[in-house]
Amino acid sequence: DAMVIQNPRYQVTQFGKPVTLSCSQTLNHNVMYWYQQKSSQAPKLLFHYYDKDFNNEADTPDNFQSRRPNTSFCFLDIRSPGLGDTAMYLCATSTQIRGAGWDTEAFFGQGTRLTVV
Amino acid sequence: QKEVEQDPGPLSVPEGAIVSLNCTYSNSAFQYFMWYRQYSRKGPELLMYTYSSGNKEDGRFTAQVDKSSKYISLFIRDSQPSDSATYLCAMKNTGGFKTIFGAGTRLFVKA
Repeated sequence: DAMVIQNPRYQVTQFGKPVTLSCSQTLNHNVMYWYQQKSSQAPKLLFHYYDKDFNNEADTPDNFQSRRPNTSFCFLDIRSPGLGDTAMYLCATSTQIRGAGWDTEAFFGQGTRLTVV
Repeated sequence: QKEVEQDPGPLSVPEGAIVSLNCTYSNSAFQYFMWYRQYSRKGPELLMYTYSSGNKEDGRFTAQVDKSSKYISLFIRDSQPSDSATYLCAMKNTGGFKTIFGAGTRLFVKA
């Protein structure tokens, strides 16, 4: 089945040690997102790619970076994780309607639960 | 004031009950309204997707949008224990890619 796959499902990292989370999709969607979701909170958009165009949210810390080497893959890099970065990280994809400035609903992966110790 | 407000619950109902979940919002530019279901330690799963005002039905689920009141609802008929999850409302306008989520309502359906 076409889907959004995140790896790993669970990750424990030490304070300050760089970590990379990965996301792959078989939906051939041109938009990919990274969200951060802390316990009992709404998912918070960190950034998104429209094709290769990177769009950072204004309040996303510089500590968070992303790479999208091709349509199918997207990575979230956390350069120096802090205890406050413990959260579920969600990757999602969608399709932009051609000629419109917006996209369809987002489909999510299963998430990576990151714990910083 | 948050752009989207959603009662966190928890909401506990007996099996077979009709469940009503609600969100209010403040941005009148929102045109697209979604409901996601999220099981514990899993990613959100899209349940319903509606445009502008009106109702949409899919099996046991009905989504309603009242743009004049800035109020959206999700009804679940004949609720089942497998419906126990957190339900997130989400919305966006036509001007960009950003979806705004509510914090979610935790639902427990007791057998």
